[in-house]
Amino acid sequence: TQLLEQSPQFLSIQEGENLTVYCNSSSVFSSLQWYRQEPGEGPVLLVTVVTGGEVKKLKRLTFQFGDARKDSSLHITAAQPGDTGLYLCAGKQHGTYKYIFGTGTRLKVLA
Amino acid sequence: DTAVSQTPKYLVTQMGNDKSIKCEQNLGHDTMYWYKQDSKKFLKIMFSYNNKELIINETVPNRFSPKSPDKAHLNLHINSLELGDSAVYFCASSQVVTSGIFEQYFGPGTRLTVT
Repeated sequence: TQLLEQSPQFLSIQEGENLTVYCNSSSVFSSLQWYRQEPGEGPVLLVTVVTGGEVKKLKRLTFQFGDARKDSSLHITAAQPGDTGLYLCAGKQHGTYKYIFGTGTRLKVLA
Repeated sequence: DTAVSQTPKYLVTQMGNDKSIKCEQNLGHDTMYWYKQDSKKFLKIMFSYNNKELIINETVPNRFSPKSPDKAHLNLHINSLELGDSAVYFCASSQVVTSGIFEQYFGPGTRLTVT
């Protein structure tokens, strides 16, 4: 069974700080996605990375796919209270429609 | 306009009952999914349909039966509900954007509580 471990599990920081969330697996994925989920709502897709070593930026968020396509990171610069939520990574198995979701990172940004 | 909608939003029922959750997407996507999110927020795939054909069926008790009357709808029927079925169930749909890239859109979830 493929597993995606995220770290840290919980993170509480002050507004303006930087943070990095990690998503690690021993398996190779054809692509990897990051989602943010707010209470009472479904996950919302933030980004998809496909190529090993790929880096994508979305305003203050920087996403990186590992060279071997087994891991990924999400870096947030100057975090804001609006960044608060549950961050989930999800890896797609090659040749299938199946996404394996990570264990999640709960981020709280204090004003 | 809501892209992926689910009904009901909340469902409280007793053990042993049978219940259904409905899902509709207006995105024109070919693939739809059911996920279960437990109390620790772990999201696990249950089923997936592509153009009304079942393509993913994880190790789910056969009390759970998905049905896709057309590619815009995917319903989930649960027989003989158990306490452990309490969770949030999410419907999602996806479409290929470019080669190897799928974009998944989730519904708002149905919180099922079995008492």
